[in-house]
Amino acid sequence: DIQLTQSPSFLSASVGDRVTITCRASQGISSYLAWYQQKPGKAPKLLIYAASTLQSGVPSRFSGSGSGTEFTLTISSLQPEDFATYYCQQLNSYPPSFGPGTKVDIK
Amino acid sequence: QITLKESGPTLVKPTQTLTLTCTFSGFSLSTSGVGVGWIRQPPGKALEWLALIYWNDDKRYSPSLKSRLTITKDTSKNQVVLTMTNMDPVDTATYYCAHISWFGDLFDYWGQGTLVTVSS
Repeated sequence: DIQLTQSPSFLSASVGDRVTITCRASQGISSYLAWYQQKPGKAPKLLIYAASTLQSGVPSRFSGSGSGTEFTLTISSLQPEDFATYYCQQLNSYPPSFGPGTKVDIK
Repeated sequence: QITLKESGPTLVKPTQTLTLTCTFSGFSLSTSGVGVGWIRQPPGKALEWLALIYWNDDKRYSPSLKSRLTITKDTSKNQVVLTMTNMDPVDTATYYCAHISWFGDLFDYWGQGTLVTVSS
């Protein structure tokens, strides 16, 4: 099974900050990676797939990059509605697995 | 517009079998390429993929839970059913069903989730 790790697990940031979250896979997964945002008490929301393709309706301040084993999610200018937990997910091979999450909190 | 909604018991006893139903609209599980998956999330913890089923009845299960899970579909009712046997308190979680993206085994539309508590 492919294991995903995320760093940091928690970060505190201010509105307007540039935020970067890293996801690492235990083996190469090409570009078969997705990012989700989850707010408390809500279902996850798909942000990015294929490592860098923005899902329809997602603001352009979100971007993704990477391939192989290292990936990043960047929020160019953090907005109040972006405070949430972010998960990566690999879909390269079964079982599809999620990372442990990164919580973005208000500084 | 794609929507999904989970339904089932909120409380089950240890050793019982859990049956959850996902009722969806906006797509058909008889259409080529379409699939539905189940994902769960224990309180305060990360997401865990459980199972998925495709339009052609192809089914995949989490290896760690495979012996306890069964996923089925009822195309005429627009429903997917997940059963999990021998429930344990560690199975307490919010259970989500989700539509599988055309791109692959990722989830582009999610239900609201249903919290299942396992307790005697």
